[in-house]
Amino acid sequence: GAGVSQSPRYKVTKRGQDVALRCDPISGHVSLYWYRQALGQGPEFLTYFNYEAQQDKSGLPNDRFSAERPEGSISTLTIQRTEQRDSAMYRCASSVRTSGRTETQYFGPGTRLLVL
Amino acid sequence: GDSVTQMEGPVTLSEEAFLTINCTYTATGYPSLFWYVQYPGEGLQLLLKATKADDKGSNKGFEATYRKETTSFHLEKGSVQVSDSAVYFCALISSGSARQLTFGSGTQLTVLP
Repeated sequence: GAGVSQSPRYKVTKRGQDVALRCDPISGHVSLYWYRQALGQGPEFLTYFNYEAQQDKSGLPNDRFSAERPEGSISTLTIQRTEQRDSAMYRCASSVRTSGRTETQYFGPGTRLLVL
Repeated sequence: GDSVTQMEGPVTLSEEAFLTINCTYTATGYPSLFWYVQYPGEGLQLLLKATKADDKGSNKGFEATYRKETTSFHLEKGSVQVSDSAVYFCALISSGSARQLTFGSGTQLTVLP
């Protein structure tokens, strides 16, 4: 079946512009996660949702970052007034059931963001 | 807080060599432990996992045993292939309220024919 999809796969933007990154989870998956991965590092948690409710946003670095999942399926991560330090790979993952420590998270291909 | 430490790479092996990638962790309670793999040009894929002490996860010839006494989850394979060339990430989900994966920094493996 279809896996997690993300769009766009690559995004180049100028400093100060807003960007919206989209994640389409595996159909029926309850939980959705966003991570950010710098070059040569492992992914770092940003935020996650159960259904449409944002359960934890402790990893969002500042108030320029926000995320939503209004209908409990597709999610959008928005970065306002982008800065060069926001350049990274943004990864989305989903899991079948309400998030728990034994649940497998399935990752999408990621969106590579470059801020000039 | 939670953390994962992996052996630094890159690691270069000849085909059919034995592979070990070390992983140790710090976490509260009883975390679940995972190995993810990223092949060139692809996303992260779950390789194996273990959810309690002394469990052994295995997949595609890879194995890792959850050792609580040494807080380790080392990845092993008896005979690597060129197709195993990838970046390997050790990760955990703690048993506390957190639900996110905490990753190590990754180990690049290159297998030469």
